[in-house]
Amino acid sequence: GAVVSQHPSWVICKSGTSVKIECRSLDFQATTMFWYRQFPKQSLMLMATSNEGSKATYEQGVEKDKFLINHASLTLSTLTVTSAHPEDSSFYICSARDLASGNEQFFGPGTRLTVL
Amino acid sequence: GESVGLHLPTLSVQEGDNSIINCAYSNSASDYFIWYKQESGKGPQFIIDIRSNMDKRQGQRVTVLLNKTVKHLSLQIAATQPGDSAVYFCAENDTGRRALTFGSGTRLQVQP
Repeated sequence: GAVVSQHPSWVICKSGTSVKIECRSLDFQATTMFWYRQFPKQSLMLMATSNEGSKATYEQGVEKDKFLINHASLTLSTLTVTSAHPEDSSFYICSARDLASGNEQFFGPGTRLTVL
Repeated sequence: GESVGLHLPTLSVQEGDNSIINCAYSNSASDYFIWYKQESGKGPQFIIDIRSNMDKRQGQRVTVLLNKTVKHLSLQIAATQPGDSAVYFCAENDTGRRALTFGSGTRLQVQP
């Protein structure tokens, strides 16, 4: 099946620094990628929809200037958490939609962000 | 709409028993539903999906039932195994919105 990778798998950073998380579709092209955030014992919450070659669409309550999304190619989307604070500590998961598979989305393994 | 849970309900079953995990959804326009399994520290893993023109779909050891009248979805796991222990999420999608909306999740614990 289609494979989505994320890098890094975990990161620890100091408060005030920025962190970039990469999401790659390894064996298919994805015009659309999605970024989710998951707090402990909670469900996945959609943060934004990333479209190749255009601006991301952010969900209500998600600060676009804090969570910068770039989808420069059909296989790569990046999420940059700018000026990270401890409350940004979470599990960030991306998914990618395969053009050939219609609605099906394939999820990455997630990135654990801890902000000290 | 989106669902946030302060805690996960837990279903505890004996190995070999059948498990039934339930999910309610709210969007009448949803036409595609998926069940995901998530193990600790990992991303969601696709289990089975169903479209709104069906009310039942079977896979290997899993069956999904859809009741559009009451907006209810269930996942049945036959002969539950310890490896099935995980958190299970339902997700819904309508064609007008490409992103998935996840339910609050259920933790399945399989006792050996």
